Amino acid sequence: QVQLVESGGGLVKPGGSLRLSCAASGFTFSDYYMSWIRQAPGKGLEWVSYISNSGSTKYYADSVKGRFTISRDNAKNSLYLQMNSLRAEDTAVYYCAKSRAAIALFDYWGQGTLVTVSS
Amino acid sequence: DIQMTQSPSSVSASVGDRVTITCRASQGINSWLVWYQQKPGKAPKLLIYAASSLQSGVPSRFSGSGSGTDFTLTISSLQPEDFATYYCQQANSFPLTFGQGTRLEIK
Repeated sequence: QVQLVESGGGLVKPGGSLRLSCAASGFTFSDYYMSWIRQAPGKGLEWVSYISNSGSTKYYADSVKGRFTISRDNAKNSLYLQMNSLRAEDTAVYYCAKSRAAIALFDYWGQGTLVTVSS
Repeated sequence: DIQMTQSPSSVSASVGDRVTITCRASQGINSWLVWYQQKPGKAPKLLIYAASSLQSGVPSRFSGSGSGTDFTLTISSLQPEDFATYYCQQANSFPLTFGQGTRLEIK
């Protein structure tokens, strides 16, 4: 069965950096596009970033462009999100999610990892 | 960017009721509309894709319709496990955007 397990969240000071990881299993990771989606406490869902199966195509929300970098290692079945210059408004649960083929919908989600940006 | 607006923001209903949630896109998205269900403390779950296609394993009491800019999610007969927050998402173009959510509460 499909499993997505995020890690790397925690407490970080404003301006700091954090790298999130997502370990995938139960499907051929290299065949699927992947995304990061976040949810601030008590708020709705916000798409963050999207990467093609090969890693050659990437998209970002304007709110994180230039600060966050999505990447993947297909040999390790892993997805990453490097987050730099973190701000208080980046505080959220971050989910990794698998897309269906090249369609930008999310058919499987991880359990999420909490990132808290606070001094 | 395409804005997605859901209504209502919250709704109270009883077990057995029929409930409809609407989602409007700020510009046409053909049928690239997705619905998710989220329960407290859990990740969202895919319910409907391509506006009206039911995800495998989702009960048939859930249905979706619409195209262009106006879409609906209907639950034909509410069950206790359906009380949750529902989100629409446009999959037409980047940046991908979600509606603000509709909280379905027990009356």
